Amino acid sequence: AQSVAQPEDQVNVAEGNPLTVKCTYSVSGNPYLFWYVQYPNRGLQFLLKYITGDNLVKGSYGFEAEFNKSQTSFHLKKPSALVSDSALYFCAFNDYKLSFGAGTTVTVRA
Amino acid sequence: DAGVIQSPRHEVTEMGQEVTLRCKPISGHDYLFWYRQTMMRGLELLIYFNNNVPIDDSGMPEDRFSAKMPNASFSTLKIQPSEPRDSAVYFCASRPGQDSPLHFGNGTRLTVT
Repeated sequence: AQSVAQPEDQVNVAEGNPLTVKCTYSVSGNPYLFWYVQYPNRGLQFLLKYITGDNLVKGSYGFEAEFNKSQTSFHLKKPSALVSDSALYFCAFNDYKLSFGAGTTVTVRA
Repeated sequence: DAGVIQSPRHEVTEMGQEVTLRCKPISGHDYLFWYRQTMMRGLELLIYFNNNVPIDDSGMPEDRFSAKMPNASFSTLKIQPSEPRDSAVYFCASRPGQDSPLHFGNGTRLTVT
């Protein structure tokens, strides 16, 4: 079965440090991959997507993600985290519907 | 663009009662999705529509759940009768095309006592 996995339930970083949220995929063909963020009591917000083309995708709020076919990964990155980046992050793939990973809670401490 | 609008934001009801959740998608979006979010099961797709037609309802838990989309600007998710295990946050989302990002509403938090 096709899926995405987020191996870390939680990621904790200090403000100003690099932030990485991991995602691996098991998707046949060319995967369409997405990252979403969810703040408390809100719906999910789209951050970025990979469909084809450049392996480095830039998105909202200074986030970027690198598509790595050999490692079947699509990790989300931010060079310098902010306290306001604390939220729940979801990786997802699109196979006519959008299927989400389990989510990673990011906490950025001041 | 007001985004995807869901109502009510919160619903508290007693077991056995009927619950109706409502969604207004973004104008021009041909796809509408209903998801359920719980701590235990994460985000689950319940059903999705394309041009008001239900395409995949395999995620609907059981016959107590039903969803309709009578027109392009309105959808409902109904639970009858409701049970405590239905307590969750229900999200509606829409998108203009098959490969486009989903736009989510702010959800309805349902509590069944």
